[in-house]
Amino acid sequence: GENVEQHPSTLSVQEGDSAVIKCTYSDSASNYFPWYKQELGKRPQLIIDIRSNVGEKKDQRIAVTLNKTAKHFSLHITETQPEDSAVYFCASSDKAAGNKLTFGGGTRVLVKP
Amino acid sequence: GAGVSQTPSNKVTEKGKYVELRCDPISGHTALYWYRQSLGQGPEFLIYFQGTGAADDSGLPNDRFFAVRPEGSVSTLKIQRTERGDSAVYLCASSLAGASNEQFFGPGTRLTVL
Repeated sequence: GENVEQHPSTLSVQEGDSAVIKCTYSDSASNYFPWYKQELGKRPQLIIDIRSNVGEKKDQRIAVTLNKTAKHFSLHITETQPEDSAVYFCASSDKAAGNKLTFGGGTRVLVKP
Repeated sequence: GAGVSQTPSNKVTEKGKYVELRCDPISGHTALYWYRQSLGQGPEFLIYFQGTGAADDSGLPNDRFFAVRPEGSVSTLKIQRTERGDSAVYLCASSLAGASNEQFFGPGTRLTVL
């Protein structure tokens, strides 16, 4: 089955700096890659996603890149703010397999004011 | 509109007891997923429904776990003879299968088995 590895497990940045989280996946059939933000005790919230037919997607301060050949994708947060502090999860899925999500282990991001 | 809801929000039970966890998906979402999230880890897939039928139950850890969705809307996850290792947050998600991959998560049920 699919395996998703996520690094780093924790990330501390100064407010205003950039944060980068990287994930690798194993199943070449995976075609959808969402990123979720989860605050303590809350539900995972989708912040951005990318499909396998594009290499990059941007939404304000958040961007995601995908390298299908290398089977890795990354989340980039620019101009970080204290409210960006949370746990971020990458995931992958294959529409042909019912879209069940396989998650990475998560990255705890702390933005220091 | 209303998002995915789950009840109860917290459930404390004793080892060996039976529990039921309920999920109300977003209206009109035909696909429903159950995940389990242990402390400090990412959610792990349990089971996926397309309509009333379980399309993929490969993530259920053993036969003590069972889920139903009799009318294609509300789903119930049932755990028999609970064990301490079952303690986790059980998350439900729904999506418009076929139109979008995006899954919308509920707030979860925190299950504690004493």
